Amino acid sequence: EVQLVESGGGLVKPGASLKLSCVASGFTFSDYWMSWVRQTPGKTMEWIGDIKYDGSYTNYAPSLKNRFTISRDNAKSTLYLQMSNVRSEDTATYYCTRSYYGYTFDYWGQGVMVTVSS
Amino acid sequence: DVQMTQSPSNLAASPGESVSINCKASKSISKYLAWYQQKPGKANKLLIYSGSTLQSGTPSRFSGSGSGTDFTLTIRNLEPEDFGLYYCQQHNEYPRTFGGGTKLELK
Repeated sequence: EVQLVESGGGLVKPGASLKLSCVASGFTFSDYWMSWVRQTPGKTMEWIGDIKYDGSYTNYAPSLKNRFTISRDNAKSTLYLQMSNVRSEDTATYYCTRSYYGYTFDYWGQGVMVTVSS
Repeated sequence: DVQMTQSPSNLAASPGESVSINCKASKSISKYLAWYQQKPGKANKLLIYSGSTLQSGTPSRFSGSGSGTDFTLTIRNLEPEDFGLYYCQQHNEYPRTFGGGTKLELK
């Protein structure tokens, strides 16, 4: 059974940094592209970016490219999202997803909440 | 970026009925549109990709149609478990973009 379990969320102050993790199981992690998607409290869904199966290539939403970094450790079957200089508009639930070559998201984690507030 | 506009935002229906949800792209995305279902306490589910191809495990009462800029998700003979939030997403180009969502509620 495919499982994606996110962690690392919580309450953070504006301007701070935060690193989310996603541990994958039930499939060969190193064979798949992975993506991060977030959902705002108003239910708007936003694609953050993705990473190739070997970590050699990433794509980002233009509005987030300068502050967010996606990485992976295939030996640990773990996906990461490094968030820097966070803003109130980054308040959202962050989902780790398995991606079909970066096109669609065929498995989702349960999500982790990030709240940015002073 | 390709803007995705879903309609309606809210939809009320009864079990056994058929419903349609529309998704319009700001420019042609060929056939490359996916549909997702979101329900409280459950992982989001990919239902359809490439406009009309059912993801493994998606019941046959779900169908997708359209190409270019206009797409439709149709659910026939609604089951109680079909009520929830539905999103479209274009997978034709980067950045990937989602529609605003349609809430399907029990009438």
